[in-house]
Amino acid sequence: NAGVTQTPKFRVLKTGQSMTLLCAQDMNHEYMYWYRQDPGMGLRLIHYSVGEGTTAKGEVPDGYNVSRLKKQNFLLGLESAAPSQTSVYFCASSPGRITDTQYFGPGTRLTVL
Amino acid sequence: SQQGEEDPQALSIQEGENATMNCSYKTSINNLQWYRQNSGRGLVHLILIRSNEREKHSGRLRVTLDTSKKSSSLLITASRAADTASYFCATAPQNDYKLSFGAGTTVTVRA
Repeated sequence: NAGVTQTPKFRVLKTGQSMTLLCAQDMNHEYMYWYRQDPGMGLRLIHYSVGEGTTAKGEVPDGYNVSRLKKQNFLLGLESAAPSQTSVYFCASSPGRITDTQYFGPGTRLTVL
Repeated sequence: SQQGEEDPQALSIQEGENATMNCSYKTSINNLQWYRQNSGRGLVHLILIRSNEREKHSGRLRVTLDTSKKSSSLLITASRAADTASYFCATAPQNDYKLSFGAGTTVTVRA
């Protein structure tokens, strides 16, 4: 099992550009999450999904959109990137409730110039 | 805002020594979890302790939970170089829908 995978691993964008981060999990988990990690702060939840075809806002959703068309994939989109979105982005999944054990991907380091 | 906060922010110990870090939180919880993050990697789940449990062990890891003090501790015994990582506590508050992560404790194990 690959677990949770993320692509790309690194990306540099210019302000105003758009991009999509892809997360895939092969554990048949219902729940999937997108977090961002900034220095000196804990992980902050951006958006999450409780099942195929569902999405919900997390703690810091502004400037991001998500889609969960297939159970195994969770996409995070930045429509118009801003320097404040420079961060490391982590995808995670869990089999049951959002507050149970979560399994994380390796992360995507995004720099917005 | 962060529900859980780890203390200390950083810890440096000699190989073979024990490492202890603490997590304090503000509101009642359903469970508390500890995760490890090696440099440049994703988080890895270590232990989940429920609000009705006081202590759990996993290999060289020991976690305690004191709900009256709203605090938890993670003890790593007989540390190894491979334990060098950041350790995060995550709380599952009773009246919230998500895990809340602290800013982490960075542990360096010197050979």
